[in-house]
Amino acid sequence: DQQVKQNSPSLSVQEGRISILNCDYTNSMFDYFLWYKKYPAEGPTFLISISSIKDKNEDGRFTVFLNKSAKHLSLHIVPSQPGDSAVYFCAASVRDDKIIFGKGTRLHILP
Amino acid sequence: KAGVTQTPRYLIKTRGQQVTLSCSPISGHRSVSWYQQTPGQGLQFLFEYFSETQRNKGNFPGRFSGRQFSNSRSEMNVSTLELGDSALYLCASSLNWDRGPGNTIYFGEGSWLTVV
Repeated sequence: DQQVKQNSPSLSVQEGRISILNCDYTNSMFDYFLWYKKYPAEGPTFLISISSIKDKNEDGRFTVFLNKSAKHLSLHIVPSQPGDSAVYFCAASVRDDKIIFGKGTRLHILP
Repeated sequence: KAGVTQTPRYLIKTRGQQVTLSCSPISGHRSVSWYQQTPGQGLQFLFEYFSETQRNKGNFPGRFSGRQFSNSRSEMNVSTLELGDSALYLCASSLNWDRGPGNTIYFGEGSWLTVV
């Protein structure tokens, strides 16, 4: 069973516009959520996280929104830059338990 | 400071063989996790170790095993390799097993395993 779902395998966005990456989860016990970014031939790098007691967390161009009732979170990147082209993984965990990752969304930033 | 180091970076093995992958966590990090990444499957959790004890285990067959040493370095072993074990194996480390801000999980660059 896939507890963390990223239903869009890929997304193309014009440079300078907003990129919105979506993630749905099924386990209502998840209380910590993360986004990682991965370039080819590199390991994933941590981007931003949010705990279930918040509904928004912002770090520079990156903002994560959490909608607990819909079991949905999203990552907004504003403005999108060429270096943002990568695979983005959504992840979630129940306190102190293993972290479950989604399958990833490949983001293409178009010039 | 040095990041998470994984060796070897690339290796090719034959079906039926076994393989051992190594991971050196960031200095001071005591928690090490292993993940398998295959095309279209995202990162699938294998196991997590803290202070030489396995804390969590994913849904992989017993052919996949791991251990952690007193210096926090970790190894994972896959026995009786199958073609489907071809994947990128990623190691991640963190200060401890607590989930939350302040305990960021850092990944290594991975070990690419090809089984032929």
